[in-house]
Amino acid sequence: NAGVTQTPKFQVLKTGQSMTLQCAQDMNHEYMSWYRQDPGMGLRLIHYSVGAGITDQGEVPNGYNVSRSTTEDFPLRLLSAAPSQTSVYFCASSRQGAAEQFFGPGTRLTVL
Amino acid sequence: AQSVTQLDSQVPVFEEAPVELRCNYSSSVSVYLFWYVQYPNQGLQLLLKYLSGSTLVKGINGFEAEFNKSQTSFHLRKPSVHISDTAEYFCAVSDSGGYQKVTFGTGTKLQVIP
Repeated sequence: NAGVTQTPKFQVLKTGQSMTLQCAQDMNHEYMSWYRQDPGMGLRLIHYSVGAGITDQGEVPNGYNVSRSTTEDFPLRLLSAAPSQTSVYFCASSRQGAAEQFFGPGTRLTVL
Repeated sequence: AQSVTQLDSQVPVFEEAPVELRCNYSSSVSVYLFWYVQYPNQGLQLLLKYLSGSTLVKGINGFEAEFNKSQTSFHLRKPSVHISDTAEYFCAVSDSGGYQKVTFGTGTKLQVIP
């Protein structure tokens, strides 16, 4: 099992550009989440999904879109990148009813 | 709403010395509590979790934590640290029902000094 995979590992964008961060899991987990990690702020929830076709906003959703068409995939879209979105992004998945989250290796995004 | 406080942003400790990383939480409902570890340039990995039952929880790599409901704390301890324990440690809390939104603390960087 690959677990949770994320692509790309690194990305540099210019202000105003759009892009999609990919996340996939092969554990058949129902729940998937996107977090951003900024120095001194821990991890903050951007969006989450409790199953295919069902998504909801987290703590810091502005500027990001998500969709969940399959159980395995949960892409995060930046609509118009801003320097404030420079961060490390983590995708996580968990089984319904279980509390433990499994994290991907992260995507380091820089917006110039 | 729930919150997590990790008062120490950095904790230096000599190799083979004991360490305690502090975590306090607030929540109006029953909670699950976690400690995750993040090694440099990696994702987070579960160290241990408290869901119910015994308040002393043992995790991987010799770590343990004690849930104290009256003090709303979940401090992480290890009796003897190794160089390989150098990492950032995150305390987290979630509701105990439905989709468990997880709230993370700001992290504590453990620096083990040879």
